[in-house]
Amino acid sequence: AAGVIQSPRHLIKEKRETATLKCYPIPRHDTVYWYQQGPGQDPQFLISFYEKMQSDKGSIPDRFSAQQFSDYHSELNMSSLELGDSALYFCASSGLGQGIPYEQYFGPGTRLTVT
Amino acid sequence: KNEVEQSPQNLTAQEGEFITINCSYSVGISALHWLQQHPGGGIVSLFMLSSGKKKHGRLIATINIQEKHSSLHITASHPRDSAVYICAVRQNTDKLIFGTGTRLQVFP
Repeated sequence: AAGVIQSPRHLIKEKRETATLKCYPIPRHDTVYWYQQGPGQDPQFLISFYEKMQSDKGSIPDRFSAQQFSDYHSELNMSSLELGDSALYFCASSGLGQGIPYEQYFGPGTRLTVT
Repeated sequence: KNEVEQSPQNLTAQEGEFITINCSYSVGISALHWLQQHPGGGIVSLFMLSSGKKKHGRLIATINIQEKHSSLHITASHPRDSAVYICAVRQNTDKLIFGTGTRLQVFP
């Protein structure tokens, strides 16, 4: 069965650079969620999209933006990177596709390291 | 005070032992998730509960909505069960609020 795909899996950037993380949901899932997990911390909700529209917003810095495209994949754009942005970024998807309806299925995460 | 609290924070067990991890929450929820996170970081969803009890293999999850409490049980634990187990609650907006996690180590 297809799972949530995230790319890249690892990313190293320098301070003040930009980064783009991509998330490909499970086929026919229409909702995407982004979470940030800092070292030794709980995952924190950043933002979510339903049918290409932002549906909820959490503790996402203004330097970050995200969108969901017509094929339902989502991208998280991060600018002016700071050391504190180093974290594991998870994407999850839900919907009426395969799996339990509306349950969130997580991708493997993108580990971002800012040096 | 966190909205979702788990106990214990760390748990060690011998292979074969019965394990219980507890989760208490203080907010209204539409569902509760139990997640497993391995050292590589990937998160796997184990259960989504809104009432009662669910069982999958050696894993059992229960929830008491009135008491705002859920438990995850592992029967006949095995070293491969070693992971961080996270309780996360879903409110009306579908975003998840995560607990602090329980780090489980099962020794042979």
